[in-house]
Amino acid sequence: GQNIDQPTEMTATEGAIVQINCTYQTSGFNGLFWYQQHAGEAPTFLSYNVLDGLEEKGRFSSFLSRSKGYSYLLLKELQMKDSASYLCAVTESNYQLIWGAGTKLIIKP
Amino acid sequence: DGGITQSPKYLFRKEGQNVTLSCEQNLNHDAMYWYRQDPGQGLRLIYYSQIVNDFQKGDIAEGYSVSREKKESFPLTVTSAQKNPTAFYLCASSQGFYSYEQYFGPGTRLTVT
Repeated sequence: GQNIDQPTEMTATEGAIVQINCTYQTSGFNGLFWYQQHAGEAPTFLSYNVLDGLEEKGRFSSFLSRSKGYSYLLLKELQMKDSASYLCAVTESNYQLIWGAGTKLIIKP
Repeated sequence: DGGITQSPKYLFRKEGQNVTLSCEQNLNHDAMYWYRQDPGQGLRLIYYSQIVNDFQKGDIAEGYSVSREKKESFPLTVTSAQKNPTAFYLCASSQGFYSYEQYFGPGTRLTVT
């Protein structure tokens, strides 16, 4: 069946690096999204991966391995404003989008 | 500025009442979506529309209804048949269907007592 797994919660220190993993089992694959969602707010787009490899965008990078059904979001030089939930979502072969439950990232000074 | 608006931010209703949540976008996007978000769960798709005058049920459509009479607007009605309507409702739109980045509105938190 369809399934996306992410850790429920992670804690990191300001200025450090954190990697948030996402594994998926879906009916086909047409791309993987990462979104950021601050508490009580709307999700905002971070990245989209459809080919294997690393996509870098400023302090944020996203990696995809289609053969392993695995992605990660890497956040560098963490800032307090990075405290949020990070949502992984996969587009299946029928173009339905399946969402993970999200990883709540807590940044400590 | 282009974007998606949802109103109101907070909505309170009594059980047994229908309530309509508004969603308007001026991004000229063809596709629009309604999601429900509950604590500890991923976004769950209620309804989606790929084009004006057409919409499809998502995973949890029971107790909800929508219309898409205009490209800019995709209102969601939460009916009294929805057994557990208290939730955070998010509307989104995208240029095309699903392979494209979705833009979200600020959400409406509905509380039914």
